[in-house]
Parts: sequence; C-alpha cells; structure tokens
Amino acid sequence: AQKVTQAQTEISVVEKEDVTLDCVYETRDTTYYLFWYKQPPSGELVFLIRRNSFDEQNEISGRYSWNFQKSTSSFNFTITASQVVDSAVYFCALSEDNYGQNFVFGPGTRLSVLP
Amino acid sequence: AAGVIQSPRHLIKEKRETATLKCYPIPRHDTVYWYQQGPGQDPQFLISFYEKMQSDKGSIPDRFSAQQFSDYHSELNMSSLELGDSALYFCASSLVERFGSYNEQFFGPGTRLTVL
Repeated sequence: AQKVTQAQTEISVVEKEDVTLDCVYETRDTTYYLFWYKQPPSGELVFLIRRNSFDEQNEISGRYSWNFQKSTSSFNFTITASQVVDSAVYFCALSEDNYGQNFVFGPGTRLSVLP
Repeated sequence: AAGVIQSPRHLIKEKRETATLKCYPIPRHDTVYWYQQGPGQDPQFLISFYEKMQSDKGSIPDRFSAQQFSDYHSELNMSSLELGDSALYFCASSLVERFGSYNEQFFGPGTRLTVL
C-alpha cells in the first residue's frame, strides 16, 4: 500500500533562513505522482508542484525548489530565504493512479517562520 | 478562472443532526472527490464520483452518503452527526482524460463543520 511519511512534525526558523521539508514515500508502482500542497492558516489547500515518477529533474520556482530522488524514495522541498508568509502546514502527497484516485497525503509539517 | 465552489463554508450542527455539504466542480470537470481533514490531521479520502457513478471509496463512515448529480455537482450527506465529525471537508474536481496526461485534482476552499 502506498504511504507518505513526513518525519518533521513542526519546524521553526527565523526569517531569511533556508528550510528543507522532508518527504519519504512508499509505493510498489513504477508509475506514480508526487505532490506538495501548502495549507495556510486560512485552511485552503494550495497546490505547489506535481512530479511524475519518470521525471527526476529537480525543479526550482522562485524561492521554492524540490529534490526528487527515486533511489531514496524522497521528494524534499526547500524554501530559501524564508518569509513569514511561508508559515503554513505543508503536505506531501502521492498518487499511484493516472485517473487521480488513491490520493494519499502525508501527515504534514507545520512550518513557522519567525520575524 | 473558475474554481471549485463549496457551500456552505462554515456549518455548525448539534450531535445527532444531519448535514449536507455541496460541491460545484470546475465547469467541464466530470470527477469529484471528497476529503475529510480532522483537526491537526492530514486530509483523508472519503469517496469519489466519475460521470455520476461512484468511482472509489475510502474511509467514509456508513452514516455518510454522497452522490453526483446530472449537472456534476456533488452533495455529501452526513447523518447522526458525532463530535468526531467536526472537520474541514474538502471537495476536489478533475477532468478525466483516460488516454491523456495526469488528471489534476483542483481543491475547493473547504467546508468547516463543527458538531456541538
């Protein structure tokens, strides 16, 4: 069965620090999709990135970057020069199904960026 | 661009009452998913519908039922509410392209249900 682990329950950093959120997944499928979502205090789920299992290229989007390593089943998320507005719960998620079914979230990491 | 609409955004009910949550998918989307997120928890998949038929079932209690209507909107009906049903309920929609690329799920803003 698929599983997503986010070992860091809570992280606190000071503004402008870099921070990496870890995500480790388990799946028996060779085709799967990985996601990161941000959930700010207002509660909505904000899509950040999707990566399919055949694309191990790292991605950078502004201050956000993602490191996908199949060898270690990890899909880590780094925020550089963190800002107070980055404070949120971040969820890593996995889907084994091309139809978008079987969408499993990790337990989330609560990031607090202090001024 | 149009997004997923959920109503109501907030709902307060008493124990043993019933509640109905509504979800209006993005226009042209044919698939709807429901998730339940308890306090401090991650979202848990409840149920999904494709073309008005149930397509997958997760950890949905027997007290809950759902359906997708001809206009593709969906309703989640919750009966005999319990304190533990207090949660944020998300709806997501997607357009299934079986021979295409991944079918992105777009999440609504959620309905916060409080059971007193």
